[in-house]
Formats: sequence, structure tokens, C-alpha cells
Amino acid sequence: GAVVSQHPSWVICKSGTSVKIECRSLDFQATTMFWYRQFPKQSLMLMATSNEGSKATYEQGVEKDKFLINHASLTLSTLTVTSAHPEDSSFYICSARVWDRDATGELFFGEGSRLTVL
Amino acid sequence: GNSVTQMEGPVTLSEEAFLTINCTYTATGYPSLFWYVQYPGEGLQLLLKATKADDKGSNKGFEATYRKETTSFHLEKGSVQVSDSAVYFCALTMDSNYQLIWGAGTKLIIKP
Repeated sequence: GAVVSQHPSWVICKSGTSVKIECRSLDFQATTMFWYRQFPKQSLMLMATSNEGSKATYEQGVEKDKFLINHASLTLSTLTVTSAHPEDSSFYICSARVWDRDATGELFFGEGSRLTVL
Repeated sequence: GNSVTQMEGPVTLSEEAFLTINCTYTATGYPSLFWYVQYPGEGLQLLLKATKADDKGSNKGFEATYRKETTSFHLEKGSVQVSDSAVYFCALTMDSNYQLIWGAGTKLIIKP
């Protein structure tokens, strides 16, 4: 199947700093990528839909200025957590969609990035 | 609104035991249903899916049947292996934009 790679897999930062997480589609082009956040013992929460060459679409309750998403190429989307605070500590996962023959569009996921803000 | 509920984990079984992980959903309309699996240290992978009522998805010995009457999509496997240890997520989508609504995940631990 298609491969989606995230980097870094672990990051620890001080409160007030910004952190960038990269999501790459390694063997296919992804016009659309999704960013999720997972809290402990809770389900994945969709944060935003990243569209190549245009502004991301954010879900209700997600701060656009806090979580900056850039999808500058067909193989790379980035999520920047700006002025991070301890409550931003979480597991962030990206995914990209590959259309299959029955047009249900399988999602492929990155390994996830665990952010810890001290 | 639309939601997915799956059984809490962890679920601990011995090798070769029968597995059931329950998943029920609430949706307005007719969703597509999915099971994803996350093995330790790896990204999420699609395990199986069903796009309409009474469909059965199957892969790697796992099966799940889309039951509209009970709004369920329980995951089953007849004989689990240690390598099946992972976190399993049930999910649904309502539209072609493919935005998934997720269950909380169930951690499965298989002991030799």
C-alpha cells in the first residue's frame, strides 16, 4: 500500500516555542491530507483538512492561528503548533487519501508524532 | 450527531482464542464502516471495510459484518495470534470527503 511518513515521531519542547510536524506521501501524490489529534484513551479527532495549494479547512473548535497547516506540494503537508503550551501535548496523526477503483478512497496514515510541551 | 462506540480495552486473550471487539454506531443515513489497526510503532492501517448493510469485510482472518438493524460492526477472529496484538479502531464516514468519525480504540493483548 501507499506510504505516509511523519517526522518527528517524538518531540519535546518548552512552553511558548513552536513545533513543526511534517507529513509526507512517499510513493504517491496527495492533493488532500488530514490532520488528527488523539488524546489519551479517546478517539482520533479530526483537526483539519489540508488541501494542496489552498488554505486548510479547520474543524469547529480548532484554532487556525494556533495550528498552522501548510500543504505546499503534492507530497508534503506541515502542521505547526505555535506558542505551544502543556495542554497542546498530544499525539498528532496525519493521513492522505488514495482513490481506489471503487472510489471509496482509502486513507493511509503516518506513524504519528507525540508532542510533549514542558 | 454521528458517533462510534467501541468496547474499552485492554482486551487480553491467550493465543488461539476467539476474538470479538464490539463496535456500534449512531448515524443519520447510511455510513461506510471501517476497522483500522495500529501495530506498535507503526501507523494506522485499514484492516477491513464495508460500504452497505449486510456486507462483510474480511482481511487477515478478521471479519466484520455491517448490521444495519443493530447498528453494529463487530470485529471477529476465530483464532488470534501474538502478532495480532495492536490497537483496533472502528470508524465510519458519511460522505465522499472521507472524513472519518472514530471510536476510542481498543487495545488487544495476546499472550502466548
